[in-house]
Amino acid sequence: RKEVEQDPGPFNVPEGATVAFNCTYSNSASQSFFWYRQDCRKEPKLLMSVYSSGNEDGRFTAQLNRASQYISLLIRDSKLSDSATYLCVVNSGYALNFGKGTSLLVTP
Amino acid sequence: NAGVMQNPRHLVRRRGQEARLRCSPVKGHSHVYWYRQLPEEGLKFMVYLQKENIIDESGMPKERFSAEFPKEGPSILRIQQVVRGDSAAYFCASSPNRAARLNTGELFFGEGSRLTVL
Repeated sequence: RKEVEQDPGPFNVPEGATVAFNCTYSNSASQSFFWYRQDCRKEPKLLMSVYSSGNEDGRFTAQLNRASQYISLLIRDSKLSDSATYLCVVNSGYALNFGKGTSLLVTP
Repeated sequence: NAGVMQNPRHLVRRRGQEARLRCSPVKGHSHVYWYRQLPEEGLKFMVYLQKENIIDESGMPKERFSAEFPKEGPSILRIQQVVRGDSAAYFCASSPNRAARLNTGELFFGEGSRLTVL
């Protein structure tokens, strides 16, 4: 079983739509959780951390369910510029483990 | 205010040759991580280094791959006798200290070195 699993998509949504991505992780000892964004042929960049209580940053909301080992990202009012691959990231020892990513395409 | 600098950005090698990828971390960062991203795959952790020390190389292939981060100069990822399966994007990331990285989740990534093996 992979450490971090995501639905690869692609998710094709119109501008203004709300879209949700999910992720599961296998290491119950993981302490830190994040969403990164990676544009095509670019480096990954931190989007936001994920806390048990849930957290919001503008149009983005992240949730963590430790009991189910499940992480989610909700994007409201999608913009064309949100088109990218969204990477679920979980710490494991010294490293961060990245999921394969979920591809989002926002269309006009 | 330079970020993580990787070079070369693109490297082409023939099977059996050596590839050397260099990474200069953000100024003041003493922790360096190397990740590999195969086509259509996610980022895979390879190795974590501090100055002059390899801390975790659990993701490194057992043969042909090595990494160093000398006291002076950039970190180097070296691949000997490259094969076609080594074709990938190799990303370097740095952080100021491990505790900070765990708290913020922010690794500062370079733009990657894309290796093509013919």
